[in-house]
Amino acid sequence: ETGVTQTPRHLVMGMTNKKSLKCEQHLGHNAMYWYKQSAKKPLELMFVYNFKEQTENNSVPSRFSPECPNSSHLFLHLHTLQPEDSALYLCASSQEFTGGNEKLFFGSGTQLSVL
Amino acid sequence: ELKVEQNPLFLSMQEGKNYTIYCNYSTTSDRLYWYRQDPGKSLESLFVLLSNGAVKQEGRLMASLDTKARLSTLHITAAVHDLSATYFCAVGGGSNYKLTFGKGTLLTVNP
Repeated sequence: ETGVTQTPRHLVMGMTNKKSLKCEQHLGHNAMYWYKQSAKKPLELMFVYNFKEQTENNSVPSRFSPECPNSSHLFLHLHTLQPEDSALYLCASSQEFTGGNEKLFFGSGTQLSVL
Repeated sequence: ELKVEQNPLFLSMQEGKNYTIYCNYSTTSDRLYWYRQDPGKSLESLFVLLSNGAVKQEGRLMASLDTKARLSTLHITAAVHDLSATYFCAVGGGSNYKLTFGKGTLLTVNP
C-alpha cells in the first residue's frame, strides 16, 4: 500500500458514457498527477496539480477533464471517450516539485476499457 | 524533447545470473529515477539518482548514473524469482516535476 488509493480498479464504458476516476492520497503531499499507461508505450504525463492549482496540461484532449478540490483528492472526468483511450490510468503524488527530489508515489491505477 | 530509451525491453534470465538494464536519455539531466511495477500493482520507487557518479544499492539491485554519457544502469546480481517485474527508468528535465519515462523492461527470472 503506497498511500495513494484509486477507484475504481476497473472500468468499462461506452463511448457516450460519462464517468469519473477518483484518487485520494493519505501522505500529506502537495502535488498530484495523472498518468496514462498504454500497452507498448511509455507512461505519459497528463495533468499536474500543485496545491490544488493545475500547473500542467500535457496537450490532453478535452474529453478528459481533471478536478482537484483539495490537495488530497484528484478526479479525472471522462466523457465521449474513444476506444484508443483504453489504458491504465495512474494517479501519483509527491511532496513537492521544487526541490529536485520529487519521488512519486503511485496508486494501483484504473484499468479503463472503452467499447 | 527529452527521450528516454531502455534496453532491453524484455529480459529472461535464470536465477543466480547477473544482468544489466540500460537507460539512455537524450538531453542533459541530473535527476534519474528507477521504478518497479508488478502486474496489476502500482509503480514502486526503487532509486533516486541526483548527481553524476551516484550509485545506490538495495539488496540485489544496484543503480548508477553517468550524466556525461546520459546513461543509467540497473544491475541485477544473482537474480531470484521475486525480482520478476517491469522496471522503468524516468528522467527529470525542464520543469522539476516533469518526468519522462522509458518504455520499461519486463524482467522474468526463471528457476
